[in-house]
Amino acid sequence: AQTVTQSQPEMSVQEAETVTLSCTYDTSESDYYLFWYKQPPSRQMILVIRQEAYKQQNATENRFSVNFQKAAKSFSLKISDSQLGDAAMYFCAYQLDSSYKLIFGSGTRLLVRP
Amino acid sequence: DAGVTQSPTHLIKTRGQQVTLRCSPKSGHDTVSWYQQALGQGPQFIFQYYEEEERQRGNFPDRFSGHQFPNYSSELNVNALLLGDSALYLCASSLKYGRPYYGYTFGSGTRLTVV
Repeated sequence: AQTVTQSQPEMSVQEAETVTLSCTYDTSESDYYLFWYKQPPSRQMILVIRQEAYKQQNATENRFSVNFQKAAKSFSLKISDSQLGDAAMYFCAYQLDSSYKLIFGSGTRLLVRP
Repeated sequence: DAGVTQSPTHLIKTRGQQVTLRCSPKSGHDTVSWYQQALGQGPQFIFQYYEEEERQRGNFPDRFSGHQFPNYSSELNVNALLLGDSALYLCASSLKYGRPYYGYTFGSGTRLTVV
C-alpha cells in the first residue's frame, strides 16, 4: 500500500528563523512525484513545491526547499526566514506518474511566533 | 483568470438526505478530481472525471457519484448521507488526466455538515 506519514502534528518557529517539516512515504514504484501543499484558514490547497523522483537535485522555490532522500523514502520541507503568512497546515503528498490521484499525509500545523 | 470555484461554501444536511456539490474548473483545465477531507486529516481521493467519464475511483462507496459536463464543470452527489460524511469536500482541476507533471489547482471546498 502506498502511504504518506507526517510524524509532526504541530511545529512552531520564530519569525525569521528556519523550520523543517518531516515526511516519509512508502512505495515500491520508481516513477512518482512528491509535493508539499499549504492549506491556510481559507481552506484552499496551495502548491508549495514539487519534486520529481527521477531528479537527484533537490527542488527549491524561493524560501522553500526540500531534502529528498529516495533510498530512505524521506521528503522534508525546509522553510527559511519564516514569515507570519507561512502559518498554515502543511501536507506532504505523493502521486505515481501512472496514477490520477494524490495521496496525502495527515498534515503538520505550522505556528509562526512574532 | 478564475481559479477553481466551488458551491456552496457551507451546507447542512440531515442523515439520509442527498446532496449535490458543484465545481467549476480553472479556465483551460479539462480534468476534475474530488477529495474528501475529514476534520484533522489529509484529503482522500474520491474520483476523477475526464471527458465526462469517471477515470479513477478511490475507496468510497457507491453512494458517492459524480458527473462532468461538456463545459468541464462537475458535480459530486452523495446519497443516503451518514454522520461520517461530514467533511470538507475539495475539488481540484488539472490538464490531461491530472498527470502529475501538470499539477493541480484546488478550490476552497464545500464544508458539509450532516446532523
